[in-house]
Amino acid sequence: SYVLTQPPSVSVAPGKTARITCGGNNIGSKSVHWYQQKPGQAPVLVIYYDSDRPSGIPERFSGSNSGNTATLTISRVEAGDEADYYCQVWDSSSDVVFGGGTKLTVL
Amino acid sequence: QVQLVESGGGLVKPGGSLRLSCAASGFTFSDYYMSWIRQAPGKGLEWVSYISSSGSTIYYADSVKGRFTISRDNAKNSLYLQMNSLRAEDTAVYYCAREPTRGEFDYWGQGTLVTVSS
Repeated sequence: SYVLTQPPSVSVAPGKTARITCGGNNIGSKSVHWYQQKPGQAPVLVIYYDSDRPSGIPERFSGSNSGNTATLTISRVEAGDEADYYCQVWDSSSDVVFGGGTKLTVL
Repeated sequence: QVQLVESGGGLVKPGGSLRLSCAASGFTFSDYYMSWIRQAPGKGLEWVSYISSSGSTIYYADSVKGRFTISRDNAKNSLYLQMNSLRAEDTAVYYCAREPTRGEFDYWGQGTLVTVSS
């Protein structure tokens, strides 16, 4: 089965750039989606198809995907960005796969 | 605006059954794929089941295959998950989610908690 690997936690100071990685075998050949989940709330799609942003998501959120790593980048981090972030792909053999999630802490 | 509202969660004994519902509004329900996704307490997200827009194609995660049944009623704008032979490891918040394309979830409900315990 296909596995996505995320760091358990990432810490960043306000105003700096946070990068959350998502590793998978040849993930660059797949479409990656990213979700933000704040405590007690449902996940929210923040990046789809590697790098597209849904309406209402700030331009500070961007994504990239190449080789064995996809990356969610959050520029000019704000306190309100503190949340869990999940990457996700669809794989023909494993169906929908989520990464284990990364807790973003704003220092 | 798009709304997905789950209901039907609760406390059930191991081996018991529960039926979850998801009421959709604000979009043409019959045009969209739908899925159920769950999250055990303090854990990550786990995809559970998928149903095509017409209901003709269905997939399940191995962890629930043979025990859970997904269905939909496009006339009632509703999605369902019949859960049988429930186990402690099925304890989770269950979300319904809209899929504009296969494997992309653009709207999620608020979730309904299922607790399996004696």
